Amino acid sequence: QKEVEQNSGPLSVPEGAIASLNCTYSDRGSQSFFWYRQYSGKSPELIMFIYSNGDKEDGRFTAQLNKASQYVSLLIRDSQPSDSATYLCAVNVEYNTDKLIFGTGTRLQVFP
Amino acid sequence: NAGVTQTPKFQVLKTGQSMTLQCAQDMNHNSMYWYRQDPGMGLRLIYYSASEGTTDKGEVPNGYNVSRLNKREFSLRLESAAPSQTSVYFCASTPLSGNQPQHFGDGTRLSIL
Repeated sequence: QKEVEQNSGPLSVPEGAIASLNCTYSDRGSQSFFWYRQYSGKSPELIMFIYSNGDKEDGRFTAQLNKASQYVSLLIRDSQPSDSATYLCAVNVEYNTDKLIFGTGTRLQVFP
Repeated sequence: NAGVTQTPKFQVLKTGQSMTLQCAQDMNHNSMYWYRQDPGMGLRLIYYSASEGTTDKGEVPNGYNVSRLNKREFSLRLESAAPSQTSVYFCASTPLSGNQPQHFGDGTRLSIL
């Protein structure tokens, strides 16, 4: 069974620090990788997506992908209390489709 | 600029009742999805529709049916609700098939007593 694993947390970091969120996946054929942010009681919101090995930066967010190790991570620089949320990792499960498997999410807490 | 709209936002049902959850998107997206989210379980795919006129089962389809009414609308039906179907249901869409990010609606909170 194809799986996406995340540490459930909570991950607690002080304001201004770098938060590092990690995700591993089981299917070597996966091509696309997504990070969603979900505030309590709200719907998932797309933060980043990455398709190629290496780093992809967007503002304070950096997604890192290592297909050989089947590992994708999200770095949040200069963490703010407003970043406190659950971060969901999602991976496509079939070649050239949009079907995704989601991890159970990591809860991030940024304290002042 | 509504994006993905789900109705209703909240619903309480009794065991055995039927219910249809509605989803509509105004972004001209081809693919649409229904998920359920339970505490500690993450998002699980119930059904999806890669294009108008097609539907396929996801990870947890039992107890549900779907209809892709047209390109905009994708409904989820519970024929005989069970307490195990108490969950938050999300609809999502993507513009084209093939590695595209999904855009989510606000969700429907469904309680079955």
